[in-house]
Amino acid sequence: GIQVEQSPPDLILQEGANSTLRCNFSDSVNNLQWFHQNPWGQLINLFYIPSGTKQNGRLSATTVATERYSLLYISSSQTTDSGVYFCALFYGQNFVFGPGTRLSVLP
Amino acid sequence: DGGITQSPKYLFRKEGQNVTLSCEQNLNHDAMYWYRQDPGQGLRLIYYSQIVNDFQKGDIAEGYSVSREKKESFPLTVTSAQKNPTAFYLCASSIGQGFEAFFGQGTRLTVV
Repeated sequence: GIQVEQSPPDLILQEGANSTLRCNFSDSVNNLQWFHQNPWGQLINLFYIPSGTKQNGRLSATTVATERYSLLYISSSQTTDSGVYFCALFYGQNFVFGPGTRLSVLP
Repeated sequence: DGGITQSPKYLFRKEGQNVTLSCEQNLNHDAMYWYRQDPGQGLRLIYYSQIVNDFQKGDIAEGYSVSREKKESFPLTVTSAQKNPTAFYLCASSIGQGFEAFFGQGTRLTVV
């Protein structure tokens, strides 16, 4: 099956800093998603980004499917950005999730 | 509002009991999924259904059962055969294979 890796596993930032999260995958797919899991456990959709670049406020994402990676950029981080960020791919007949990046933004 | 609703939010189960977790969606999505998440861990697939009256086992189906009698509903039963059911359970749906997935708020199950 497909392997999905995320880096870094943990990230601690001061409020206002920028960060880049990476998702690598082992097979060519064109349906990558980014999620934010908030402290209450809910998975919030950030981007559905099979390829190219999208931006939503302080967040943007880029997927290069031919090179099997995606990047999530967070600019001017806020304490509410804390949580776990997952990338996920649809492969076979279901979604495969990476292990996540745990982000802590300190005030 | 369109979305996915899971209930209850918190559930306590005595050992040896079966419990059923509800997942309802009004997005007109064909595909629905159940995932389990343990503390500090990622998501693992329990069961999925691509169409009404059909469902398939995921990676950790033992001790769980599902039904898909209606398009909008995909309940998960945690049976007494599941040896370690304490976990956070998430339900998701998508319009079809490979399309964007949306998640419910989750049910936190604790065995007492």
